[in-house]
Amino acid sequence: LAKTTQPISMDSYEGQEVNITCSHNNIATNDYITWYQQFPSQGPRFIIQGYKTKVTNEVASLFIPADRKSSTLSLPRVSLSDTAVYYCLVLMDSNYQLIWGAGTKLIIKP
Amino acid sequence: GAGVSQSPSNKVTEKGKDVELRCDPISGHTALYWYRQSLGQGLEFLIYFQGNSAPDKSGLPSDRFSAERTGGSVSTLTIQRTQQEDSAVYLCASSERTGAYEQYFGPGTRLTVT
Repeated sequence: LAKTTQPISMDSYEGQEVNITCSHNNIATNDYITWYQQFPSQGPRFIIQGYKTKVTNEVASLFIPADRKSSTLSLPRVSLSDTAVYYCLVLMDSNYQLIWGAGTKLIIKP
Repeated sequence: GAGVSQSPSNKVTEKGKDVELRCDPISGHTALYWYRQSLGQGLEFLIYFQGNSAPDKSGLPSDRFSAERTGGSVSTLTIQRTQQEDSAVYLCASSERTGAYEQYFGPGTRLTVT
């Protein structure tokens, strides 16, 4: 049974780099990995998506090792406004099933 | 351009009543998703529509829940004979199509069943 697992919560401080890891042991060859951010009382917002190795955009990087059984969302130099819940999502290419993680509540302290 | 909109933003209903929640996706998006999010919890997938194909209803929690999408655009999620455990935020999202495409979420409808 496909499943994504991520830490329930994390704390960090302003200016630090934060890495959130998601485990997806049953990922298949063509499945994609996506991360979303959610603030209170808002819908989730897309951050980054990847398939293998490393993807970087203006807000984050996504590292995916060769076996693809995990992925790490990296947020450089976080600020207080990065306090949010971060969700890992695996999209199963075979049937378009969406496997959402339970979310990681990230708290950034001054 | 306009994002995904949902209405109403808040709905309070009595146990046993039926409710309808509406979602207006981004124009041109062929995929539409409904999720439920209980307080402090993650996203629970309910149903998705892709174009004119039969919807994937695999996440609907009971036969009291149904959804339709008219003309490939607006969608309505209906909950019949509401129960207190149906209280949650119902989120709608759309994407260009099903697959590895970014989902754009609406602000949600907060449903409270008293």
